[in-house]
Amino acid sequence: EIVLTQSPATLSLSPGERATLSCGASHSISSTYLAWYQHKPGLAPRLLIYDASRRAAGIPDRFSGSGSGTDFTLTISGLEPEDSAVYFCQQYGTSLLTFGGGTKVEIK
Amino acid sequence: QVQLQESGPGLVNPSQTLSLTCTVSGGSINSGSYYWTWIRQPAGRGLEWIGRVYTSGSTSGSTNYNPSIQSRVTISVDTSKNQFSLNLSSVTAADTAVYYCARRIVDPSLPAFGAMDVWGRGTTVTVSS
Repeated sequence: EIVLTQSPATLSLSPGERATLSCGASHSISSTYLAWYQHKPGLAPRLLIYDASRRAAGIPDRFSGSGSGTDFTLTISGLEPEDSAVYFCQQYGTSLLTFGGGTKVEIK
Repeated sequence: QVQLQESGPGLVNPSQTLSLTCTVSGGSINSGSYYWTWIRQPAGRGLEWIGRVYTSGSTSGSTNYNPSIQSRVTISVDTSKNQFSLNLSSVTAADTAVYYCARRIVDPSLPAFGAMDVWGRGTTVTVSS
């Protein structure tokens, strides 16, 4: 089982700032099969990034993903108030899908 | 635009079977391009993949489950109702969680192949007497 560890647990930033979220894997993820999701309370999680760096349809370009192997990053450039949410990573390189514990992004 | 909606009892007695349904609207569950998936999140903990069902022609109803709970889980599909369901037997308080259904793309010709592009909003299930 690939364990995903996200940091930090909480990030508190002002509008316009850059958020950098990390996702570390216990084993290398094949073919960069890693996704990032945004989850707001009461809503369905939303796919942001797949294949570590590809934006899903309709996702603003202030969201970007990078990384490979065991270290991955989600960057939100120019935070907007509506970016307040929990962000979690997920690997799909093995048949047993696993998720990170999430990072809560708060907008001051 | 495809949408998923979970439904089922919010309270289940210990040792009983938890049964949830996910209704797919805006598209066919029988398209052959997706795994229909269940995921859960206990309070204060991370998400856990439960399992998935696949349906397309002759391979309708093939499943795969998380080994940690596969002895208690059954996921099935009803293509006539455009629904798929989760049954989790012999539940305990540890099964108390928000349960989500989601669609995972398994057609390599589609964008976001491998990721889960549509989710339901989740439904809270409490196991308690």
